[in-house]
Amino acid sequence: DAEITQSPRHKITETGRQVTLACHQTWNHNNMFWYRQDLGHGLRLIHYSYGVQDTNKGEVSDGYSVSRSNTEDLPLTLESAASSQTSVYFCASSAGRTLEQYFGPGTRLTVT
Amino acid sequence: GQQLNQSPQSMFIQEGEDVSMNCTSSSIFNTWLWYKQEPGEGPVLLIALYKAGELTSNGRLTAQFGITRKDSFLNISASIPSDVGIYFCAGLSGNTGKLIFGQGTTLQVKP
Repeated sequence: DAEITQSPRHKITETGRQVTLACHQTWNHNNMFWYRQDLGHGLRLIHYSYGVQDTNKGEVSDGYSVSRSNTEDLPLTLESAASSQTSVYFCASSAGRTLEQYFGPGTRLTVT
Repeated sequence: GQQLNQSPQSMFIQEGEDVSMNCTSSSIFNTWLWYKQEPGEGPVLLIALYKAGELTSNGRLTAQFGITRKDSFLNISASIPSDVGIYFCAGLSGNTGKLIFGQGTTLQVKP
């Protein structure tokens, strides 16, 4: 069955380190998205991509970057992790810009 | 920016009761989505609505896309303990593919 996976599921890192979270989908969806979820803020969009080589900034993109070298993967990189980036991160994908998004299981990141 | 107001924030009900929650916006959306999230998991899509006035069911769940395109409703009939979780509404505007989420309704069901 097609699916969307994230790895790792849990990560603890130190302030200042570079961290990359992986997202992989097998639906062949063009659109992929990264969100962070925090108490009191709900789900907020970090970056998104409409296809290979396309990336766009979302609502809370500072300190994050993404790259899209193929259809299946959209890794999220924290260039220099900060404690404010402790959160749960979700990846999602959709077949079209006006269509529903499907979410991965999430990565819980703790920055100490 | 765009915001969705979701209410109520939380509900504590008895098993067997019906549940209603809603989402309102000051902006128009072309698509309304309802998700359920359980602890430690990602949001799972329950119902997608694409047309104003549309009424769609998924088992005991029924959702409606408001006529004004600025609101949506989710009803759960005859609640059971496994309905426990956080329910999110989300709106898609234009053709950007960017979802705007409500703050969520936390549902607890007492057996």
